Amino acid sequence: GENVEQHPSTLSVQEGDSAVIKCTYSDSASNYFPWYKQELGKRPQLIIDIRSNVGEKKDQRIAVTLNKTAKHFSLHITETQPEDSAVYFCAAPNTGRRALTFGSGTRLQVQP
Amino acid sequence: DAEITQSPRHKITETGRQVTLACHQTWNHNNMFWYRQDLGHGLRLIHYSYGVQDTNKGEVSDGYSVSRSNTEDLPLTLESAASSQTSVYFCASSETKPGQGSTEAFFGQGTRLTVV
Repeated sequence: GENVEQHPSTLSVQEGDSAVIKCTYSDSASNYFPWYKQELGKRPQLIIDIRSNVGEKKDQRIAVTLNKTAKHFSLHITETQPEDSAVYFCAAPNTGRRALTFGSGTRLQVQP
Repeated sequence: DAEITQSPRHKITETGRQVTLACHQTWNHNNMFWYRQDLGHGLRLIHYSYGVQDTNKGEVSDGYSVSRSNTEDLPLTLESAASSQTSVYFCASSETKPGQGSTEAFFGQGTRLTVV
């Protein structure tokens, strides 16, 4: 089955700085890579996703890059704000291609 | 608006009791999933279903069961609750589009289960 590794487990940045979270996956056939944000006590919510036919996708201050050869993908948040503080999860499809296997999460803290 | 709801939101039960957590979605999604969330482990897949009468085991399925008798519901049953099953449980659903594979999963609000 798919194995997803996520680093770092915690990340602290100053407001306005950039934050980068990295994930690796094991199944070369995986073709969909979402990122979820989970605020304290809330449900995970999708913030951006990328399919394997593109190498980068941007949405305002967030971007995701994908390197299929190396089997890793990254989340980039620019100009961080205190409201970006949350736990972020990467994911990749499991063997059946519909359920998602999640990374262990990164707790991002943006210091004002 | 379409949504996915879980009930109860909080539950305390005793070791050895059978517990059922409900999940209901009005998205008309074909895929439904149950995950548990524990500190340091992220979200781990318990069981999932690709459609009515279809169920599959995830990576942490021991002690849990599900059934899918209609599109909208996927109840999760803990046959004999154990303290190791104290966790936050999330239900999710997604739609599979032809030729596209996985798509966005929408999560319920979560159920916090405590087994004492």
